Amino acid sequence: ERVMTQSPATLSVSPGERATLSCRASQSISSNLAWYQHKSGQAPRLLIYGASTRATGIPARFSGSGSGTEFTLTISSLQSEDFAVYYCQQYDNWPPGTFGQGTKVEIK
Amino acid sequence: EVQLVESGGGLVQPGGSLRLSCAASGFTFSNYWMTWVRQAPGMGLEWVANIKQDGSGKYYVDSVKGRFSISRDNAKNSLFLQMNSLRPEDTAVYYCARDKAGSGWITPLGYFDLWGRGTPVTVSS
Repeated sequence: ERVMTQSPATLSVSPGERATLSCRASQSISSNLAWYQHKSGQAPRLLIYGASTRATGIPARFSGSGSGTEFTLTISSLQSEDFAVYYCQQYDNWPPGTFGQGTKVEIK
Repeated sequence: EVQLVESGGGLVQPGGSLRLSCAASGFTFSNYWMTWVRQAPGMGLEWVANIKQDGSGKYYVDSVKGRFSISRDNAKNSLFLQMNSLRPEDTAVYYCARDKAGSGWITPLGYFDLWGRGTPVTVSS
């Protein structure tokens, strides 16, 4: 089973600043990585798939990069609606498609 | 509106059973692989089970094999999760999710472009 490790656990950022979230896979997963945004009480939302392809309707301030075992989600200029928990998920080897433990982006 | 709405969660004693439902609307449900994902309190997301478009293929995470059963009714645009022999560690919010793979995909892509808001399940005496 591929283990996904996200860092940091919590990221404190001021509105308008850049946020960089990391995700590491225990083995190479090529580019088979997705990122999700999750706000409490709401449905998770797909942001990125294929490590770098934005999902439909996702603003350009969200970008993904990486391949193999190291991946990054960058939010170029944080908006108020971006404060949430972000999860990475590998789908290179399933079942199961494993998720990271999440990074909480909070207001500084 | 394109959406998924889960129901059926609640409080159940260890060893008990519960059946979760997920109602789909706004898209051709029968075209998609569907998945259940759960989130235990204070924990991350965990993939639980998925099912092929016609119900002929089903996969489970090891921790629920033999206890949970995923099924679907395409005529009613509904997904189900029958949970038996429930344990305290099954306590979680359960989400249904649509796999990005639509019509024509024999295997799922493995990531999810539509989710519901979830239904909470608590297993406790």
